[in-house]
Amino acid sequence: SQKIEQNSEALNIQEGKTATLTCNYTNYSPAYLQWYRQDPGRGPVFLLLIRENEKEKRKERLKVTFDTTLKQSLFHITASQPADSATYLCALDGDNFNKFYFGSGTKLNVKP
Amino acid sequence: GAGVSQTPSNKVTEKGKYVELRCDPISGHTALYWYRQSLGQGPEFLIYFQGTGAADDSGLPNDRFFAVRPEGSVSTLKIQRTERGDSAVYLCASSPHNGYNEQFFGPGTRLTVL
Repeated sequence: SQKIEQNSEALNIQEGKTATLTCNYTNYSPAYLQWYRQDPGRGPVFLLLIRENEKEKRKERLKVTFDTTLKQSLFHITASQPADSATYLCALDGDNFNKFYFGSGTKLNVKP
Repeated sequence: GAGVSQTPSNKVTEKGKYVELRCDPISGHTALYWYRQSLGQGPEFLIYFQGTGAADDSGLPNDRFFAVRPEGSVSTLKIQRTERGDSAVYLCASSPHNGYNEQFFGPGTRLTVL
């Protein structure tokens, strides 16, 4: 199995700043890692996927890094907006690609 | 197009009762996942279907939980003899092939066992 750690404390930042969220895992290195956004009362929404042989992936204002040595992924939102306020979840594939392990998520609050 | 839908959106039942939760995945998606999410936690894997067969059911907590996908489309999660600890949001997700691609989640069914 896999243990995943995301900062349980909410991250409060000012609009326009860069938000950086952390996902650490403790056991085997996954083949790939996904980031999702979840709003209250809704299911998670996929944002980005990064493979183990990729160091960085970008999509518009989003950037994900994957360091298999540190067993860590960082998720960045540049030029943050109040609409970015949500809980962000990281997910790692299981050892047979049939299951996924999710972190508990980090709540991001972007203040205007 | 239509996303993943789940019914009912809310289900309140009494301890010991039987419940069925339904998931309609995106048309053509062969992979289907069930998760359970408790307050303040991330989704917890329950079971994965590839087509009609359960490829991995190792996340089902005990034999009171069972899921089917008889025609490779709609799936039903069945819980027998419900317990208060079963209260959670049950999420369904589908994917074109397997979760190597993104998973598309439904809105979830909030189950409350009194």
